[in-house]
Amino acid sequence: GAVVSQHPSRVICKSGTSVKIECRSLDFQATTMFWYRQFPKQSLMLMATSNEGSKATYEQGVEKDKFLINHASLTLSTLTVTSAHPEDSSFYICSARPVSLYNEQFFGPGTRLTVL
Amino acid sequence: RKEVEQDPGPFNVPEGATVAFNCTYSNSASQSFFWYRQDCRKEPKLLMSVYSSGNEDGRFTAQLNRASQYISLLIRDSKLSDSATYLCVVNEWGGGNKLTFGTGTQLKVEL
Repeated sequence: GAVVSQHPSRVICKSGTSVKIECRSLDFQATTMFWYRQFPKQSLMLMATSNEGSKATYEQGVEKDKFLINHASLTLSTLTVTSAHPEDSSFYICSARPVSLYNEQFFGPGTRLTVL
Repeated sequence: RKEVEQDPGPFNVPEGATVAFNCTYSNSASQSFFWYRQDCRKEPKLLMSVYSSGNEDGRFTAQLNRASQYISLLIRDSKLSDSATYLCVVNEWGGGNKLTFGTGTQLKVEL
């Protein structure tokens, strides 16, 4: 149990385009999902906390108009990187917190974004 | 000062060795502590939670010292498959259950 999927696993796009990444909890409901970004040889950095049915809470320094987050259901959150640039190339990972387990998060396999 | 600090390594050890990783955290209000393992280009996976009383899971032992804000992980009888990056992770409940990750310590177990 407690499986989180992400789609796509890898995406290469041209500068200026928008990319949507999906995060799904497959066998549990998640009121809260988290989006992280990891640059090479660096730690995971929390970008935003996404609560079902409400606006996401962004961490300091993360542009909410550039990284659009939608959490329309208890099993799906999406992150859209708008007008992507090469510096947005990174490993994007989501995690989901089950409704019944406040202290646990389950991670998706990540999406590797390369912007040319 | 980073919120969660770890020695990045790499720690190169022979198979069968015992290796210890340390981590310090800056927020005294932190409530929960974990060790995650991350393989190259993969997502982090929970290795074990860390409790004040210390806890053990097979070859892995974790310790927490709240007074010193210090967490440790001990791996005994290292296997080649233990090669990975070990992430020290702290959870601040008051902040909406956010996880703060250390930069990780890289372990390479060699024949």
